[in-house]
Amino acid sequence: DQQVKQNSPSLSVQEGRISILNCDYTNSMFDYFLWYKKYPAEGPTFLISISSIKDKNEDGRFTVFLNKSAKHLSLHIVPSQPGDSAVYFCAASLGGSQGNLIFGKGTKLSVKP
Amino acid sequence: NAGVMQNPRHLVRRRGQEARLRCSPMKGHSHVYWYRQLPEEGLKFMVYLQKENIIDESGMPKERFSAEFPKEGPSILRIQQVVRGDSAAYFCASSPYIVDTEAFFGQGTRLTVV
Repeated sequence: DQQVKQNSPSLSVQEGRISILNCDYTNSMFDYFLWYKKYPAEGPTFLISISSIKDKNEDGRFTVFLNKSAKHLSLHIVPSQPGDSAVYFCAASLGGSQGNLIFGKGTKLSVKP
Repeated sequence: NAGVMQNPRHLVRRRGQEARLRCSPMKGHSHVYWYRQLPEEGLKFMVYLQKENIIDESGMPKERFSAEFPKEGPSILRIQQVVRGDSAAYFCASSPYIVDTEAFFGQGTRLTVV
């Protein structure tokens, strides 16, 4: 039973255009969401996060949107660059006394020059 | 300030042997988490530890797997009598707090059971 779902295993985008990566969740108790980026043979690198009390968080080229009623979040990258090519993982946390993150299966983004 | 350090990066074990994976958290971090990633899968939580305490081991298989984070030294994930299905990438993460902060991941240990 997957609580965090990334339904697109892959996404291909032209350099300079916008990349939109989507994530759905089922547990309404999640109160913190994160996006991680992962290159092959490396550990995940934190990218951006959002608390459930917000609906948007922006950091440079990266913006995360949260729609709690739809239990959906998305990561926008604009403009996309070839160096953004990686696997992107969405993760959710219950916070409080919980210490673990629940990850989606990831979306492989390819940005073509 | 060194990041989360995991060793070894690659570990090959024969079926039935023991595997020991080590993780040194970032300086100042007292929370350590272990995750496992199977091929084509996301990371799956295994265990959350603070110094000398296991806080949450709900993701850890009940048999053959154990974890510790002693007062001195790195956190250890121990897998006894390894089987082929244990082959995976094991990632350790650390954080300074538990709420509303990102965890920093190490580069992982790739375990191959032959």
